[in-house]
Amino acid sequence: DIVMTQSPDSLAVSLGERATINCKSSQSVLYNSNNNYYLAWYQQKPGQPPKLLIYWASTRQSGVPDRFSGSGSGTDFTLTISSLQAEDVAVYYCQQYYRTPFTFGPGTKVDIK
Amino acid sequence: QVQLVQSGSELKKPGASVKVSCKASGYTFTTYTMSWVRQAPGQGLEWMGWISTSTGNPTYAQAFTGRLVFSLDTSVSTAYLQISSLTAEDTAVYFCARSSANRWYDYWGQGTLVTVSS
Repeated sequence: DIVMTQSPDSLAVSLGERATINCKSSQSVLYNSNNNYYLAWYQQKPGQPPKLLIYWASTRQSGVPDRFSGSGSGTDFTLTISSLQAEDVAVYYCQQYYRTPFTFGPGTKVDIK
Repeated sequence: QVQLVQSGSELKKPGASVKVSCKASGYTFTTYTMSWVRQAPGQGLEWMGWISTSTGNPTYAQAFTGRLVFSLDTSVSTAYLQISSLTAEDTAVYFCARSSANRWYDYWGQGTLVTVSS
């Protein structure tokens, strides 16, 4: 199985400041035939299902604010919230969909400092 | 608009089975795969598997082998998750999630809480 790890476990950021979440896969999730990373990011607020933010490691889902961005290469990926808003308080998960089982990272909790 | 509406909460005794439904609307059911993900209380997301809504072919996560059955009723655009031999460790919220070509999950059900307790 591909193991996904995330860091930090939690972070607190002041409103308007940048939040950076890291995700690492134990194996490459790059599909060479289309040069895409099979990596997604989700946001989950308490009592709600996860919400898709990013797919192909860096493509923002329709309707997601542009303060959310994804990047990465190899086995290291990053979700950046450029200017944290109060509504961004949530747990963020990365997930690989390269090979089943489509494993999730353990999550990173983001709070307001 | 796309919606995935799941059945209500369940309370089951250890050793029992449970069947959760996920009714889709707002799109052509058979053009997207359906996956199941669970979340134990206060924990992260655990992928359980997926089913092709066009062929009915399921793929199960090895951790659940032998206890899961994914099924469909395409006439009512509904996917089902059945879990047998329940234990307290199966207490969780179960989500269905839609995917195009079995990639990212763009729509999720609201979740179904299954509580296993004697």
